[in-house]
Amino acid sequence: ETGVTQSPTHLIKTRGQQVTLRCSSQSGHNTVSWYQQALGQGPQFIFQYYREEENGRGNFPPRFSGLQFPNYSSELNVNALELDDSALYLCASRFDREVAFFGQGTRLTVV
Amino acid sequence: AQSVSQHNHHVILSEAASLELGCNYSYGGTVNLFWYVQYPGQHLQLLLKYFSGDPLVKGIKGFEAEFIKSKFSFNLRKPSVQWSDTAEYFCAVTGALSGGYNKLIFGAGTRLAVHP
Repeated sequence: ETGVTQSPTHLIKTRGQQVTLRCSSQSGHNTVSWYQQALGQGPQFIFQYYREEENGRGNFPPRFSGLQFPNYSSELNVNALELDDSALYLCASRFDREVAFFGQGTRLTVV
Repeated sequence: AQSVSQHNHHVILSEAASLELGCNYSYGGTVNLFWYVQYPGQHLQLLLKYFSGDPLVKGIKGFEAEFIKSKFSFNLRKPSVQWSDTAEYFCAVTGALSGGYNKLIFGAGTRLAVHP
């Protein structure tokens, strides 16, 4: 148990729709990152928030956006869903440069 | 661009066999190195990490890894595997020049199956 919880655990959406995934960080952690893990691949960095500001972004289009709230919970929003967005989405939280702890992930299926 | 290569995508072993999973990274600066494990249906868990100091790092559950800077490698080892080690193993790196210590860059993973 890492103290990082994600919701929902599974989700099915239709192409073109929008989705919001949620993450509750471990207590005391001020940094949250989101990763996309496609089938058979390692997690790919989407972006990171530190004290409610985005401070790092991977090679993902602007339709992937996020928020971090004062209580360090976070959201990942994806607009105009595409079939290739089907993946496991992972949230990781940490304090500054310490080790990241991962949630169990949200499995998104786009049909 | 910074990348991580894991040499074996699938490994099958019998219980009590020795394990070595290869990991190489392409990066010339200061790095932090990690091995994460993902058991079936569970979240990613940290096995061990290297930040600095002794290049031989010991982690949980009897795992260890050796950082060889000249070879850009961080191979994971265990002298005697158990059925419960069946999982997917990910090598990851972060570093000062990868956009800060913001992101973990993962390898594609190695799926280990241990047969009784």
